[in-house]
Amino acid sequence: DTGVSQDPRHKITKRGQNVTFRCDPISEHNRLYWYRQTLGQGPEFLTYFQNEAQLEKSRLLSDRFSAERPKGSFSTLEIQRTEQGDSAMYLCASSFSDSPLHFGNGTRLTVT
Amino acid sequence: GDSVTQMEGPVTLSEEAFLTINCTYTATGYPSLFWYVQYPGEGLQLLLKATKADDKGSNKGFEATYRKETTSFHLEKGSVQVSDSAVYFCALSDQYDYKLSFGAGTTVTVRA
Repeated sequence: DTGVSQDPRHKITKRGQNVTFRCDPISEHNRLYWYRQTLGQGPEFLTYFQNEAQLEKSRLLSDRFSAERPKGSFSTLEIQRTEQGDSAMYLCASSFSDSPLHFGNGTRLTVT
Repeated sequence: GDSVTQMEGPVTLSEEAFLTINCTYTATGYPSLFWYVQYPGEGLQLLLKATKADDKGSNKGFEATYRKETTSFHLEKGSVQVSDSAVYFCALSDQYDYKLSFGAGTTVTVRA
């Protein structure tokens, strides 16, 4: 069990650019979640997958955001035309069925 | 929708003091309740959980009891250590998709 891995740890981008983050869940975990955390706040749910199927998307996830989980393994979160308000920590978590979520260390995005 | 309200911080304590962090929730159905902890520079880690009314979760000297009548899940530790300095998040998950709803977090600093 190597834990949930996220890449990159930090990303600085200019407004209007596209960015993509990757999450590798714990092997054999069938559920994968994306959260966003801003300073002084708790994580906010964005979306989740069961295997390769995206089952729910939060209203926080605008049309500029897209997530995929091909083959039910790793997942990517892409943000198009980034805005300064997208600056946050993006967290990935995985679980097996109803077991507690295991979180990665996150990707910190700064949009300048 | 489901929500969690937890005591605002920051909280500063001396070593060996008693710690309590209040958490109340609003949910339909029968949620599971969690405390997650985030140590400086690290990702979110599950501290303890309770899945039904009157259950007590415990770990590392911390305890919390699921109180349905008061919709609360307060975190307590009888004697804190400097190493307990961290941000503590109360969270709940519903019984259907297990995604977590978090409180805003409480920053705890323990001084020697």
